[in-house]
Amino acid sequence: GAVVSQHPSWVICKSGTSVKIECRSLDFQATTMFWYRQFPKQSLMLMATSNEGSKATYEQGVEKDKFLINHASLTLSTLTVTSAHPEDSSFYICSARKVAAQETQYFGPGTRLLVL
Amino acid sequence: KQEVTQIPAALSVPEGENLVLNCSFTDSAIYNLQWFRQDPGKGLTSLLLIQSSQREQTSGRLNASLDKSSGRSTLYIAASQPGDSATYLCAVRHFGNEKLTFGTGTRLTIIP
Repeated sequence: GAVVSQHPSWVICKSGTSVKIECRSLDFQATTMFWYRQFPKQSLMLMATSNEGSKATYEQGVEKDKFLINHASLTLSTLTVTSAHPEDSSFYICSARKVAAQETQYFGPGTRLLVL
Repeated sequence: KQEVTQIPAALSVPEGENLVLNCSFTDSAIYNLQWFRQDPGKGLTSLLLIQSSQREQTSGRLNASLDKSSGRSTLYIAASQPGDSATYLCAVRHFGNEKLTFGTGTRLTIIP
């Protein structure tokens, strides 16, 4: 199998606080994980590519100091939204690629963030 | 810059009918193209992946075709069922880059 989990599945926070989202590959090792953001009725937009043991690569327009990514092990990557604001409210989805399989990304169930 | 478009944005068909979803992309130098299904408030489920050298892939009632030169792909769903109701997304990947560029999606509703 290739199961990816995310925690939490949804979170509500106050403006100005930080929120951490976890992405775990449950039954495989993932050297690379990806973080996407999806606004209502829009498609997925890649935010950053996370490689185990190295700094993440951010897409143009994504603030690396606001969206902190840590990929400390082959099964876990975290996304921290720092000083969250209402405009950060979105659906955040991660995906993971198996070490030995270059073709397919396996997607997590997503985390819905609402910033009040 | 790659742009991926899916038309129509929404589609409703009676149960049992065959249907085709369309995906077009502007840069034909792709490595592969993938079709996904997304249920409301959920993550993505991969349906079919077509390499750039392939013309089509089949899985059960689903058939995906790829015409790289014209920048088009179609997803054919045979004998549609209410459980097929979901948003369908296509995504392309380029050589030397793991980034997936997603289309805008088609929201499919199968009417019982």
